[in-house]
Amino acid sequence: IAGITQAPTSQILAAGRRMTLRCTQDMRHNAMYWYRQDLGLGLRLIHYSNTAGTTGKGEVPDGYSVSRANTDDFPLTLASAVPSQTSVYFCASMRGPDTGELFFGEGSRLTVL
Amino acid sequence: GQNIDQPTEMTATEGAIVQINCTYQTSGFNGLFWYQQHAGEAPTFLSYNVLDGLEEKGRFSSFLSRSKGYSYLLLKELQMKDSASYLCAVRDGDYKLSFGAGTTVTVRA
Repeated sequence: IAGITQAPTSQILAAGRRMTLRCTQDMRHNAMYWYRQDLGLGLRLIHYSNTAGTTGKGEVPDGYSVSRANTDDFPLTLASAVPSQTSVYFCASMRGPDTGELFFGEGSRLTVL
Repeated sequence: GQNIDQPTEMTATEGAIVQINCTYQTSGFNGLFWYQQHAGEAPTFLSYNVLDGLEEKGRFSSFLSRSKGYSYLLLKELQMKDSASYLCAVRDGDYKLSFGAGTTVTVRA
């Protein structure tokens, strides 16, 4: 079934460790996004990419980095995890940055201790 | 940046109608979206408005007024399964898509 795959689905991580959340889509969508969701704050945009080879900063980019080497993959890296990065992370994609529906992955629940 | 406001919670009775309002201030505008999210699940797409007016899709309708920075989602003939969080999202002039904090709707029998 076509869609977005995130990995891992859940992870407990010690503070200071490096962590990469993986996101792969097979819909050949150009635009991809990373959001974090925290209770009472809704979905907040971390980084986005309108097309392969380009990335941009969202609302809460500090402590996170992304790359977009090809159309399908959009990994999110936490260089040195901190407890405030405990959250549920959603990867999403859209056919183009100016098109309609945003498709979401199932989410990655990250706990930083 | 963007400022997107929607009520935190709403409660309604099964079979009734509920209207969820969303106001926004954004640098440029390239569309407004509504998503539904059940607890522990990913958001799912409900509607997309880029022009003023009403978009109807079954029991759900969404309205947009760009001049007022205002949208609403109308849920008719409420069912228990409609209990969820409803997210308003706005795409700005740079094509960044930002979400409001969400409105939790509880449907009671």
